[in-house]
Amino acid sequence: AQKITQTQPGMFVQEKEAVTLDCTYDTSDPSYGLFWYKQPSSGEMIFLIYQGSYDQQNATEGRYSLNFQKARKSANLVISASQLGDSAMYFCAIIDGDSSYKLIFGSGTRLLVRP
Amino acid sequence: KAGVTQTPRYLIKTRGQQVTLSCSPISGHRSVSWYQQTPGQGLQFLFEYFSETQRNKGNFPGRFSGRQFSNSRSEMNVSTLELGDSALYLCASSSSGGSTQYFGPGTRLTVL
Repeated sequence: AQKITQTQPGMFVQEKEAVTLDCTYDTSDPSYGLFWYKQPSSGEMIFLIYQGSYDQQNATEGRYSLNFQKARKSANLVISASQLGDSAMYFCAIIDGDSSYKLIFGSGTRLLVRP
Repeated sequence: KAGVTQTPRYLIKTRGQQVTLSCSPISGHRSVSWYQQTPGQGLQFLFEYFSETQRNKGNFPGRFSGRQFSNSRSEMNVSTLELGDSALYLCASSSSGGSTQYFGPGTRLTVL
């Protein structure tokens, strides 16, 4: 069974600094996708970034980048130049390639950006 | 392009009642998934529909059901509500199910 582990329940970062949110995963499927979502207090899940298991390059989207280490089964999210609006819950999720259409989520990390 | 919409945004029901939640996917998306989010259990998959067919179902009792219409809009129904059904219900749409899922704002259900 697939599993996502996020070991940091909460983190602080100073505005304008970079922060890394950890995510490790477990799957037996060679084809899978990893996602990061942001959930502000309003509740909506906002898609941030995607990494496919066969992608050779680490994914980047603006200030978000994914540090993908396949052998270690980790997919850490790096947020550069943190902004106050980045304060939110962040969820890592996995979906396998062909046999399932469901996202398996981790427990999330609450990020607080300090001014 | 408009995002995923969910109605209603907030709902208060009493135990034993039933409830229907609605989700309109992004235009052109044919896959709709539903998730339940609670403080204790986190985010859990309920079911996924594609072209009016349920392709996958999570580990929830039969009181939870859903359907999808020909225009890809989806509804989920919870019958005989229990206090533990209080949660944020999130709907997500994607073009094919295995691709990126985009979420709506959620429906916050409170069962008294």
